[in-house]
Amino acid sequence: EIMVTQSPATLSVSPGERATLSCRTSQSLSRNLAWYQQKPGQAPRLLIYGASTRATGIPARFSGSGSGAEFTLTISSLQSEDFAVYYCQQYDNWPRTFGQGTKVEIK
Amino acid sequence: QVQLQQSGPGLVKPSQTLSLICAISGDSVSSKSAAWNWIRQSPSRGLEWLGRTFYRSKWSKEYADSVKSRLTINPDTTNNQFSLQLNSVIPEDTAVYFCVSGNYYFDYWGQGTLVTVSS
Repeated sequence: EIMVTQSPATLSVSPGERATLSCRTSQSLSRNLAWYQQKPGQAPRLLIYGASTRATGIPARFSGSGSGAEFTLTISSLQSEDFAVYYCQQYDNWPRTFGQGTKVEIK
Repeated sequence: QVQLQQSGPGLVKPSQTLSLICAISGDSVSSKSAAWNWIRQSPSRGLEWLGRTFYRSKWSKEYADSVKSRLTINPDTTNNQFSLQLNSVIPEDTAVYFCVSGNYYFDYWGQGTLVTVSS
């Protein structure tokens, strides 16, 4: 099973600032990694797949990068609606596994 | 646009069976390009993929090792839905359960059902 580790656990950012979230995997994935956003009481929402491809309707301020075993989600200018928990998920191998999440909170 | 609507009880007694249904609109459970998954989320285990069913030339089912002996996922082509049955539940099975579509990443999610295992 591929382990997925996210850092930091919590990120405090002011509105309008940039947020950079990290995701590391225990094995190289090529680019088979997705990112999700989850708000309280809601299901996760797909943001990014293929490490860098935005899902339908996702704003351009969200960008993904990386390959191998290190990946990054960048939110270029945080809006109020972006404060949430973010998860990465590998789909290179079975079972599909998720990181423990990074909570982006208002500074 | 695919929509997934979950139904099922929110409270199950230990040793009994947890049963949930996920109704699909906007796609077919028999689609040869789709896969239908169950994922759960708890504070202790995070997001955990449980299993999936999908149709290519025949029906297939795949399960996570952690629940393989207790879990059944079935398609229902008559009602365009799929189900989860988790047997012999224990308190550690308490979680929010999601039905989800996707072969690799997960693009459409049900609303989630909080299932509590307690007597």
